[in-house]
Amino acid sequence: AQSVAQPEDQVNVAEGNPLTVKCTYSVSGNPYLFWYVQYPNRGLQFLLKYITGDNLVKGSYGFEAEFNKSQTSFHLKKPSALVSDSALYFCAVRDGSSYKLIFGSGTRLLVRP
Amino acid sequence: EAGVAQSPRYKIIEKRQSVAFWCNPISGHATLYWYQQILGQGPKLLIQFQNNGVVDDSQLPKDRFSAERLKGVDSTLKIQPAKLEDSAVYLCASSSSQGSRYNEQFFGPGTRLTVL
Repeated sequence: AQSVAQPEDQVNVAEGNPLTVKCTYSVSGNPYLFWYVQYPNRGLQFLLKYITGDNLVKGSYGFEAEFNKSQTSFHLKKPSALVSDSALYFCAVRDGSSYKLIFGSGTRLLVRP
Repeated sequence: EAGVAQSPRYKIIEKRQSVAFWCNPISGHATLYWYQQILGQGPKLLIQFQNNGVVDDSQLPKDRFSAERLKGVDSTLKIQPAKLEDSAVYLCASSSSQGSRYNEQFFGPGTRLTVL
């Protein structure tokens, strides 16, 4: 069965510092991995995805994620955090045989000025 | 391009009452999804449509939840009768069918349901 784990409920970082939001997954077969961001009272917004190819994926708003097959991880990163990055971040996975997207429980990112 | 539209944005009802949510996906998107997001959790898929056919409704509580997409565009999700545990945000999403396993989903703003 597919599953996604986001081990940190909250990540705190100072503005200008690099940030990492962790995600590990479990699927049978090749994984398709996604990151979404949710701002208060708004729906989820797509940030980036990994389907195949280069393990470093670049996405919206300066975010990137690194796919690591041996560690079954897909951590979200940004070199320099902004206060406006403060939001709820969700990792999601879909395996090659399913159309169903499985979401993690979310990580709240708080960037302090 | 216009995004996914949902209404109402907020709804408060008493238990055992019925409620309906409406979704209009992005134009041309054949695949439509309804998710339930309980506070503190990630979204959970309730039902997926491909045009007006159901692809997956395995997690839809069919004794009280129903959904339809009669003309392959707009969709309605209904709860009848509602229970306290149905309090959640109901998200609608759509995606293009081409390469559908690879495509990202586009989400609407959601409907926040409170059952008293």
